[in-house]
Amino acid sequence: DIQMTQSPSVLSASVGDRVTLNCKASQNINKYLNWYQQKLGEAPKLLIYNTNNLQTGIPSRFSGSGSGTDYTLTISSLQPEDVATYFCFQHNSWPAFGSGTKLEIK
Amino acid sequence: EVQLVESGGGLVQPGASLKLSCVASGFTFSDYWMSWVRQTPGKTMEWIGDIKYDGSYTNYAPSLKNRFTISRDNAKSTLYLQMSNVRSEDTATYYCTREYYGPHYWGQGVMVTVSS
Repeated sequence: DIQMTQSPSVLSASVGDRVTLNCKASQNINKYLNWYQQKLGEAPKLLIYNTNNLQTGIPSRFSGSGSGTDYTLTISSLQPEDVATYFCFQHNSWPAFGSGTKLEIK
Repeated sequence: EVQLVESGGGLVQPGASLKLSCVASGFTFSDYWMSWVRQTPGKTMEWIGDIKYDGSYTNYAPSLKNRFTISRDNAKSTLYLQMSNVRSEDTATYYCTREYYGPHYWGQGVMVTVSS
């Protein structure tokens, strides 16, 4: 099974900061990597699929990159409404989620 | 607008069975693979399995394959998850999702609590 490791587990940043969240797979996942945002009390929402494809309706401040085993979600300018937990998910082989990064505002 | 509405959750005793339903609307249900994902109280996410658009093929997490069954009724635009011999570790919120390169649209989820 492929293991997905997200870092950091908690990230505190200021409004307007550029924020980077990381996701590392235990083996090559060929860019089959999605990012989800889950706000408190809500269902997860797809932000990015297949590494760098922005889901319709998602603000352009969100972007994704990576290849092989290492992937990144970047928020170019953090907004208060971005407070949430972010999960990565690989669907290259047996699907698996990361453990999440909780993003807070300083 | 894509809508997925789960139902059938609640408190269930260990060893019992439970069937969750997910009614879909806002899209042609029979065109899409569908899946179930669960989230534990500790927020761990687990992909349970999925089913092909015509119901002819299913995939399951190996650890759940013998106890969980995914099915669908395209005439009713409804997805099902049959859970048997439930255990305390099955306590979670269960989400129905429409797939497109992984879970794409999610329902609001239904809680299942396994306890005596």
